[in-house]
Amino acid sequence: DTGVSQDPRHKITKRGQNVTFRCDPISEHNRLYWYRQTLGQGPEFLTYFQNEAQLEKSRLLSDRFSAERPKGSFSTLEIQRTEQGDSAMYLCASSSGTGGPRSSYNEQFFGPGTRLTVL
Amino acid sequence: TQLLEQSPQFLSIQEGENLTVYCNSSSVFSSLQWYRQEPGEGPVLLVTVVTGGEVKKLKRLTFQFGDARKDSSLHITAAQPGDTGLYLCAGTTTSGTYKYIFGTGTRLKVLA
Repeated sequence: DTGVSQDPRHKITKRGQNVTFRCDPISEHNRLYWYRQTLGQGPEFLTYFQNEAQLEKSRLLSDRFSAERPKGSFSTLEIQRTEQGDSAMYLCASSSGTGGPRSSYNEQFFGPGTRLTVL
Repeated sequence: TQLLEQSPQFLSIQEGENLTVYCNSSSVFSSLQWYRQEPGEGPVLLVTVVTGGEVKKLKRLTFQFGDARKDSSLHITAAQPGDTGLYLCAGTTTSGTYKYIFGTGTRLKVLA
């Protein structure tokens, strides 16, 4: 299977702990995105990368959140000093990046997500 | 500010019925996607529309992009229990960004 993969699938942590999630995009996809989805809502954009460059960050991404894509392949999302309000599904997506926003090549393919529960 | 409003939020129908889900905005979108999401899983892409007035069909599903690229609809003919799930519309605005704005979602349940 060559789809987007995420690890771990589930994470339970205590408030105040740090957590790190990993995303492996579809091979050769240049753009990688992180979204957060809370129960009953549509996903909300957090940040995206074109290769290793982080090009856009949402205001949702507080200073406790940091994302990296050091070699332009996999990406990590770290949350420091977790709070109960961070409990959500964290979704990663990738797109080929060969077209503009109106191109079908910008279609984003999502991974299975990481479900975070902060106790 | 939620740019994409979906209706209805919830829909419970009998197998064999038809239904339409709407995705509306006051903003123009460069492209619009429809996804289906199962509980505990990521969204799965169903279709992308980019041209105003475009109609695409995927078996029993028909997708339409509004002429002004501000709205879209998903019509399912003869719904089946396997169609049950959360349907999400998502789009890229004309600001040039590649991020998606997601709709509020429509939770569909098809009863056998």
